[in-house]
Formats: sequence, C-alpha cells, structure tokens
Amino acid sequence: EVQLLESGGALVKPGGSLRLSCAASGFTFSSYAMSWVRQAPGKGLEWVSGISGGASTTNYADSVKGRFIISRDNSNNTLHLQLNSLRAEDTAVYYCAKHSAGLIYYFDYWGQGTLVTVSS
Amino acid sequence: QSVLTQPPSVSEAPGQRVTISCSGGSSNIGNHPIKWYQQFPGKAPRLLIYYDDLLPSGVSDRFSGSKSGTSGSLAISGLQSEDEADYYCAVWDDSLDGVIFGGGTKVTVL
Repeated sequence: EVQLLESGGALVKPGGSLRLSCAASGFTFSSYAMSWVRQAPGKGLEWVSGISGGASTTNYADSVKGRFIISRDNSNNTLHLQLNSLRAEDTAVYYCAKHSAGLIYYFDYWGQGTLVTVSS
Repeated sequence: QSVLTQPPSVSEAPGQRVTISCSGGSSNIGNHPIKWYQQFPGKAPRLLIYYDDLLPSGVSDRFSGSKSGTSGSLAISGLQSEDEADYYCAVWDDSLDGVIFGGGTKVTVL
C-alpha cells in the first residue's frame, strides 16, 4: 500500500525558514517523480515544485522560485522541501504527491498534508 | 487568477447531471492530457480522471471526462449527496514548465 507522510509544518515568522519532509513507502520511490502542492486556507490547489525520480530535474512555480528548494533522498525514500524567506502568502497546507511516472504525469497518490503558518 | 478557468460553483438536484468545464490554452490542455481531482473539506485531493477520460480503479462510472481542443469537462451523472466536494482540473503547462490547476469548482447537491 502506497503511503506518503508529511512532517515539518510549523508556525514561523516572516523571513524565516522551514524544512518539510515526506516519508514514502509501498512503492519503488526512486522510479517516480514527486511534487509538493499547497493549499492556502479557503483557496484552491497550487503546485509548488516537482522533482524527477533520479533528482536530475527540478521545477518550481514562479511564486516560490529562488526561495524554495526541493530535494529527495532515494536511499531513505524521503522527499524534502526547504522553505526560505517565508512570506505570509506561503501560509498553506503542503501536500506531498506522487506522480504516476515522470513530472508531466498525473498525481496518483497524495499525503494528508502538513500546515505551514507564516505569521509574526 | 488561474491559467485554467473553471466555474466557481455548480449545483443540481439529486439524480441529475452536472458538467464542469476547464478552459486552457495551446501550451497546456492543447498539448497534454487533463486530470481531474476531487477534494472533500479537510481532506487530501484524490485522482478522479486521468488521460482526459480514464477512471482509476474504485472511481464510480457516474464520473466521466472529455476533452476537445483547449478545453475539457467533467460530468457527474446521477448526482448524489456524497458528490458534494470541490473539483479541480490540472494539466502540465509547457510555457510554465510545471503543473497548473484550475481554480476549483464547488459542487452542491440541492
């Protein structure tokens, strides 16, 4: 059974940093692209960043480019998202999502999300 | 404002049929398959439709998808109260080099 478990969400001040993690199990982690998708309170879904199975390709939404860094540890089946220079508008539930294959393919599994709150 | 345009809400009586549209452009829907996701309040999204019109295992065949040119749609037939949720279309965009979501459509069963 595929499982994705996010962690690391917290209350952080504007300008601060945070590292989110997603522990994956139930599939061959290194064979699939992974993404982070966020949802601000009462708003829609927004793709944040994606990374290929071998980590050779990373993509970012314009809203986070230069501030967030996606990475993965295939030996430990873990996906990470480093959030820097955080702003109030980054407040959201952050979901980890597995692609069915490469980055352009659909999300077939989602985690339950971790809440990031940016506030002074 | 999303690159993909969906109606904010649709509503219909139980047993009826509703359709949700998703309008995009040549760099996204015109060049890649549409996916649809269903989300209940406080829950993670789940895949509803992939490759424009395919249903994952376990999804009711009351759901169907279609695409023509740079637009697509999700239809729900035999509407039930359990279908009340938010629905999002999504697709890869070549210009943005990333995944884009529609703004979401809230389905209400009257």
